Amino acid sequence: AQRVTQPEKLLSVFKGAPVELKCNYSYSGSPELFWYVQYSRQRLQLLLRHISRESIKGFTADLNKGETSFHLKKPFAQEEDSAMYYCALFTGGGNKLTFGTGTQLKVEL
Amino acid sequence: DVKVTQSSRYLVKRTGEKVFLECVQDMDHENMFWYRQDPGLGLRLIYFSYDVKMKEKGDIPEGYSVSREKKERFSLILESASTNQTSMYLCASRPHGRGEYTQYFGPGTRLTVL
Repeated sequence: AQRVTQPEKLLSVFKGAPVELKCNYSYSGSPELFWYVQYSRQRLQLLLRHISRESIKGFTADLNKGETSFHLKKPFAQEEDSAMYYCALFTGGGNKLTFGTGTQLKVEL
Repeated sequence: DVKVTQSSRYLVKRTGEKVFLECVQDMDHENMFWYRQDPGLGLRLIYFSYDVKMKEKGDIPEGYSVSREKKERFSLILESASTNQTSMYLCASRPHGRGEYTQYFGPGTRLTVL
């Protein structure tokens, strides 16, 4: 069965420091992976998807099939990055997204 | 802009009551989903629907049922609310089609069962 693991419940960094939010997955098929973000008092929204290979708000994520990881990175954290981040795995056969437990990112001044 | 709306932002009910949570999307999406969001547990799928009158159980369907009579509306029903169903409930929709993986979420309904 598919599974998404986010080992950190809370990650606290200083403004300007690098950020890495960890995500590991288990899935026997070809994975489609996503990062969703929820800012305070806002709805959950898509941040980025691995097949786009794009950078959104300075964040990037590379799919590493050998390590079954999809870590989210940003070189310099900003205060506005403080939010809850969820990694998600799409399994086409099941037509659904499986979410991790989320990591709360707190950027301190 | 895709709009997913939920009938209430906050709801307080008593144990044993029947509770209806409504979700409406305006983008003609085939797929609709109900999740509950709990600290430390993330988002867990309760039920989803890929077409009118069709439904599939998610990971935690016990104690819940759903209804999809119209394409734009997906209702979550708690037949007899219990305190362990106190949670944030999120509705989402997604179009059907190859490469269409982005889900659009509603603002959530925070349900408290006393």
